[in-house]
Amino acid sequence: QPVLTQSSSASASLGSSVKLTCTLSSGHSSYIIAWHQQQPGKAPRYLMKLEGSGSYNKGSGVPDRFSGSSSGADRYLTISNLQSEDEADYYCETWDSNTRVFGGGTKLTVL
Amino acid sequence: EVQLVQSGAEVKKPGESLKISCKGSGYSFTSYWIGWVRQMPGKGLEWMGIIYPGDSDTRYSPSFQGQVTISADKSISTAYLQWSSLKASDTAMYYCARPGVAGRNEYFQHWGQGTLVTVSS
Repeated sequence: QPVLTQSSSASASLGSSVKLTCTLSSGHSSYIIAWHQQQPGKAPRYLMKLEGSGSYNKGSGVPDRFSGSSSGADRYLTISNLQSEDEADYYCETWDSNTRVFGGGTKLTVL
Repeated sequence: EVQLVQSGAEVKKPGESLKISCKGSGYSFTSYWIGWVRQMPGKGLEWMGIIYPGDSDTRYSPSFQGQVTISADKSISTAYLQWSSLKASDTAMYYCARPGVAGRNEYFQHWGQGTLVTVSS
């Protein structure tokens, strides 16, 4: 089954950009993933679906500041013009017919 | 508007049973898979299992197989997660979640608000 690897933490300054990475395990580099945001004390929120081609589809109400891209087994979430409300945990998710996995999550701190 | 509304927080003792719920509205409940996700205190998201209410097809994560039971009642558009004998290690927030496309067991697009389960003697 696939495994997703994320850095445990990241930080960037208010108004700057940050790129978070989710890496698919060997043999699963073509998998589609989804990105979710979890603000402190809240339920997760779906951000986007991201394909290996780099094509992505965002959820309703997700700001234009959020975008996705891909390179090989890596899936990226880029947040530009960082706002204080972007400080959150970010999880990637993938699945196949009988299983679903989440990455360990990246805690983003906005300085 | 799709809504998943979960039952309220629970405080239980070890060995007790528990059933928490997730009521779907704003869509055809029988046409979408609905899953459960655990989040232990300070930790990440863990997929527990998923059910298709249309025919009760249920899949479990190997980590949770035999530890919990997932079910659904089509007549009241509600999915359930239950334990027969709780342990302190079951203390966590539990989320229900639903994929975005009918009939497709794929990424979650909609999330419930969560149910906090505390197991303590």
